[in-house]
Amino acid sequence: AQKVTQAQTEISVVEKEDVTLDCVYETRDTTYYLFWYKQPPSGELVFLIRRNSFDEQNEISGRYSWNFQKSTSSFNFTITASQVVDSAVYFCALSEAVTSGTYKYIFGTGTRLKVLA
Amino acid sequence: GAVVSQHPSRVICKSGTSVKIECRSLDFQATTMFWYRQFPKQSLMLMATSNEGSKATYEQGVEKDKFLINHASLTLSTLTVTSAHPEDSSFYICSATQIGADSYEQYFGPGTRLTVT
Repeated sequence: AQKVTQAQTEISVVEKEDVTLDCVYETRDTTYYLFWYKQPPSGELVFLIRRNSFDEQNEISGRYSWNFQKSTSSFNFTITASQVVDSAVYFCALSEAVTSGTYKYIFGTGTRLKVLA
Repeated sequence: GAVVSQHPSRVICKSGTSVKIECRSLDFQATTMFWYRQFPKQSLMLMATSNEGSKATYEQGVEKDKFLINHASLTLSTLTVTSAHPEDSSFYICSATQIGADSYEQYFGPGTRLTVT
């Protein structure tokens, strides 16, 4: 069965520290997509990144970077020089093909990040 | 582009009454719409998937007679929580995939917070 595991329930760091959020997934699909979303206290999901299973290149966007390793089924997310505004819940998600052309998302349990000033 | 709205953003209703939540794709036509539920400090759980003009497909454990989904047009889906009870209090989020675009890409609404008293 498809599954996404975010083992870190809550992480607290001091501002300017680097922090890595772990995501491990299980899937039987050969083609799949992985996502990271940020959910601030307002509740609205903020899309951060999408990665398809054929693209193992790491990605950097400002202070954010992602490390995709198919060999270990992991898609980890690092925030460099964390800021208080990074405090939120972060979800990793995996797409699952339901029918031809329809995908549903399997979300991990989320990691609550608290960045302390 | 690809904006999804939900109305209302917050609703309080009395136990035993029904409440309707609207999900609209504002600037695109949606192939498929999804409804998620998120209890406090928990992950998003998919409730159902719906396509315009078709009956919704409910996830295991979700009561289709309690959570009525109507997908009347390519831009509107509604979720009606019938005979609501306090345990139905939750954050309800919808998402949509865009016709003609990648079907694995879901665009999320801002969510509706339902409180049943």
